[in-house]
Amino acid sequence: GENVEQHPSTLSVQEGDSAVIKCTYSDSASNYFPWYKQELGKRPQLIIDIRSNVGEKKDQRIAVTLNKTAKHFSLHITETQPEDSAVYFCAAIHGSNYKLTFGKGTLLTVNP
Amino acid sequence: DTEVTQTPKHLVMGMTNKKSLKCEQHMGHRAMYWYKQKAKKPPELMFVYSYEKLSINESVPSRFSPECPNSSLLNLHLHALQPEDSALYLCASSPTGGRNEKLFFGSGTQLSVL
Repeated sequence: GENVEQHPSTLSVQEGDSAVIKCTYSDSASNYFPWYKQELGKRPQLIIDIRSNVGEKKDQRIAVTLNKTAKHFSLHITETQPEDSAVYFCAAIHGSNYKLTFGKGTLLTVNP
Repeated sequence: DTEVTQTPKHLVMGMTNKKSLKCEQHMGHRAMYWYKQKAKKPPELMFVYSYEKLSINESVPSRFSPECPNSSLLNLHLHALQPEDSALYLCASSPTGGRNEKLFFGSGTQLSVL
């Protein structure tokens, strides 16, 4: 089945700095890659997603890049703010059974 | 309405109890999911219903029994649970269950088994 590796597991940045979270996947047939943000005690919320026919997608301070050849994708957050502090999960859709596989998560802390 | 509503928000039950978790969406989605999430871990898929039929069961123990009465409702019946079943149970929905679809998560039910 699909395997998604996510790094780093924790990330601490100063307010205003950029944060980058990286994921790799194993199934070359995967073609949909969402990113979820989960604050403590709350639901995972989709913040951005990318499909395999696109190399980069941007939404205000958040961007995602995808390298299909290398099978990795990254989340970039610029001008970080304390409210960006949360756990971020990358995910990939398995090629054959439409199952969403999550990475282990990254705890992002933005220090004021 | 873009919400997935789950009830109850919190549930404490003994190992001999029978309880049910409920999930509802009115977005016209035809795929609904149950996920289990332990603290500091990613959500783990339990069940998928597509067009009211069970399409994926991730080898979940029979003490968890899903039910999809109609396209808007999803239940998870719980019986004889173990303390290790304590977790956040998340319901989600998507338009059809296809490959490139966004999942919309409910707020979850925090379950404690004593």
